[in-house]
Order: sequence, then C-alpha cells, then structure tokens
Amino acid sequence: DAGVTQSPTHLIKTRGQHVTLRCSPISGHKSVSWYQQVLGQGPQFIFQYYEKEERGRGNFPDRFSARQFPNYSSELNVNALLLGDSALYLCASSLGYGGGETQYFGPGTRLLVL
Amino acid sequence: EDQVTQSPEALRLQEGESSSLNCSYTVSGLRGLFWYRQDPGKGPEFLFTLYSAGEEKEKERLKATLTKKESFLHITAPKPEDSATYLCHAEGGANNLFFGTGTRLTVIP
Repeated sequence: DAGVTQSPTHLIKTRGQHVTLRCSPISGHKSVSWYQQVLGQGPQFIFQYYEKEERGRGNFPDRFSARQFPNYSSELNVNALLLGDSALYLCASSLGYGGGETQYFGPGTRLLVL
Repeated sequence: EDQVTQSPEALRLQEGESSSLNCSYTVSGLRGLFWYRQDPGKGPEFLFTLYSAGEEKEKERLKATLTKKESFLHITAPKPEDSATYLCHAEGGANNLFFGTGTRLTVIP
C-alpha cells in the first residue's frame, strides 16, 4: 500500500515569493496534518484538517494557510516567504482526528528560501 | 503551558549496551503519546502509540512505557542500525499536537 506522498521533494524560493506544497494521504485516511521541522528541532504543528475543515491550528502567522480537497489530499500555502521559513515541511495522515489517532508521515518537502 | 521535553539530547551507546530515552510531558487531557524514529532528511517513522498510564508496547529491541508524567523508550542490546533520532509526540485536549526535540541516538559497533 502506498504511504503518504508529498510533492515536490525539494524547492528553492526567494524571499517574498509564494509556495504551494502538496500532500496525498494514505488511502482511507480522512485527516491530514502539516508540520514544520527546522534543522535540529522537533516538528512544529501548523494545521490539521479533517473532512475538508480545519480542526486545529498551531502558532504560525497568517502567511501560512492550507486546505483539504474532497479526495482528502491537501495543500499548504505560504505567502511572503522569509528566510526563516526554510525547513522540512512534513505532512501526516490519520484515519480520523481528536481521539489519539496515530499519524503516519510522508517523506517531507525540503524548502530553502534565499 | 503544554509541552513535551526529551532527554538526553544525544546518546552514544556501544553495540549491545542497553539504555532508556525519556519523554516528560505536561499536556492537558492527554489523548495519546506516540514514539517515532527519524533518519536524517526523512519523515518520522511510526513506532508506538500509548494511551494510558501503565501501558507498555514492544517491538523487536524497543519497548515503550507510559506513566502519568513520563514515557520511556527502552532499547535492549542496540545495533548500529538503531542509530536515528527518536521523537516523542503527544496529543492533548483541544486537538493540540506537540513534539519533543528528539534524542539523537548513535550506536557504535
């Protein structure tokens, strides 16, 4: 069975630009979460979506937004990129949410902002 | 403030030398405590889920335990291929999700 997939794998952008990252969950999973992982740190929670609605949000500025589509795939958008946005962006999927559901992670998208 | 703290930050073991990694949590309304393994440049790989104090899970050389304040990941007779960063993750009430900063384990042949 295919796991969580993310695209692109790597991305280079310049300050001020916009970026869109994509995630496809494991088949049958209805919840997708996004995390930012800066080198040497643990992942930081950005968003969780379930059934196309936002169910949780971490402490990130409004430049970060996301959405989930009817097929449960998801996009993370970041506007007005800053150097500090350089990180590994991880997507995780789970069957549901809110009940201690195990999350399964994709390989991540490595974003470099110059 | 809800948070997850892992210790030590880094651990070097000789092959076969057993040890434990610690995850201390202060998370309101804990719904689940998760352990992951992460290799450099890759996404976290799921290991265990624990839900209530006293619960234990085992897989090969790894055993995870949970108390009301801490979780431990015990590694018995580790091998070089166990070298990785081990991450602790907690889900609290209000759908809050927290990761620790990880323990970087190196097993020397």
